[in-house]
Amino acid sequence: GNSVTQMEGPVTLSEEAFLTINCTYTATGYPSLFWYVQYPGEGLQLLLKATKADDKGSNKGFEATYRKETTSFHLEKGSVQVSDSAVYFCALSGDNYGQNFVFGPGTRLSVLP
Amino acid sequence: GAGVSQSPSNKVTEKGKDVELRCDPISGHTALYWYRQSLGQGLEFLIYFQGNSAPDKSGLPSDRFSAERTGGSVSTLTIQRTQQEDSAVYLCASSLSLAGGRGTDTQYFGPGTRLTVL
Repeated sequence: GNSVTQMEGPVTLSEEAFLTINCTYTATGYPSLFWYVQYPGEGLQLLLKATKADDKGSNKGFEATYRKETTSFHLEKGSVQVSDSAVYFCALSGDNYGQNFVFGPGTRLSVLP
Repeated sequence: GAGVSQSPSNKVTEKGKDVELRCDPISGHTALYWYRQSLGQGLEFLIYFQGNSAPDKSGLPSDRFSAERTGGSVSTLTIQRTQQEDSAVYLCASSLSLAGGRGTDTQYFGPGTRLTVL
């Protein structure tokens, strides 16, 4: 079945550091890929998505490129801020009718001033 | 409202009691999901409804858990004879289905119901 693997946290960075959170997936066909973010005390919200190979999703300075050849969707940001501290979830939606979403376990990011 | 709503926002119950959690999805969204998130943990898939199809119940942890979706809209998650390990935040999400049976689009999450079983 479909699955998502992402790097274990927690990740602790200093402000303005470069961020990479790795995400790889296993899926049949051509899934859509997502990053969701959960800020402290808040609900899950979509950060960015990509629906086909080589698409780049971007939002709030974050980017992720759908790489079918490496089955990856790594999240990157060039300069993190304290306000980026949150839990980040990689997810995919299978391309077969009835496929449920699959979420990764989440990576907790802490950005220190 | 325009988003997914859930009620109650908080529920405290005694062990052994039954609870019902409600989810109102975004109007027009055919897919509805229930997840559970324990403290500091990731998302645990529980159940998935898609239109009029039979739901995918593969994530329900025991037969104490059940869910229904009436009229293709509002959903209720019922937990019977609650146990302390049921304490968690229960999240509901809804989404559109993609054309041509290509799965579902972005999920929009509700704020969750925090369940505490004493």
